Amino acid sequence: EDKVVQSPLSLVVHEGDTVTLNCSYEVTNFRSLLWYKQEKKAPTFLFMLTSSGIEKKSGRLSSILDKKELFSILNITATQTGDSAIYLCAVVGNNDMRFGAGTRLTVKP
Amino acid sequence: EAGVAQSPRYKIIEKRQSVAFWCNPISGHATLYWYQQILGQGPKLLIQFQNNGVVDDSQLPKDRFSAERLKGVDSTLKIQPAKLEDSAVYLCASSPRTGRNGELFFGEGSRLTVL
Repeated sequence: EDKVVQSPLSLVVHEGDTVTLNCSYEVTNFRSLLWYKQEKKAPTFLFMLTSSGIEKKSGRLSSILDKKELFSILNITATQTGDSAIYLCAVVGNNDMRFGAGTRLTVKP
Repeated sequence: EAGVAQSPRYKIIEKRQSVAFWCNPISGHATLYWYQQILGQGPKLLIQFQNNGVVDDSQLPKDRFSAERLKGVDSTLKIQPAKLEDSAVYLCASSPRTGRNGELFFGEGSRLTVL
């Protein structure tokens, strides 16, 4: 059965820290991996990764995919309190998009 | 551009009652999804529509859940009768693409509490 596992489940850091969130997966016929940020509202799209080793970057956030080892990481540098949210990883394989349980990040002032 | 609209935002019902949620996707988006997100878990797909046809409803508990998208635009999701374990946030999402490979645009969700 397809699986998407995120770690850690929760994380508390202070402003300015750098964090790394992990997403590992087992899916049939991998097509893409997506990261979303979920605050108290709708999940919002961050990145879509399809190729190994190519970093996607947006401001302080970056993500990379390793298709050989079946995982992705999401890095956030110089964290701010506004980064506090649940970060969801979703993997598409065989036309099925499966979400992980998410990592709850709390950034303290 | 207006986002995905959902209503109601919150609903509290007793078990065995019925409830309906409404979703209006982004204009022109052919594909619409309903997800169930239980506290502490990631969203789980309930049903996917492409225009007004069902693409995937394999995880929809059809004995109590139903959904329709009659004119290929807005959609309703109904639960009847509700059970305690149906307490969750029901997220609607849409996409301009016909496959599931690509960014989804989510609504803010409808939070259901079943007592």
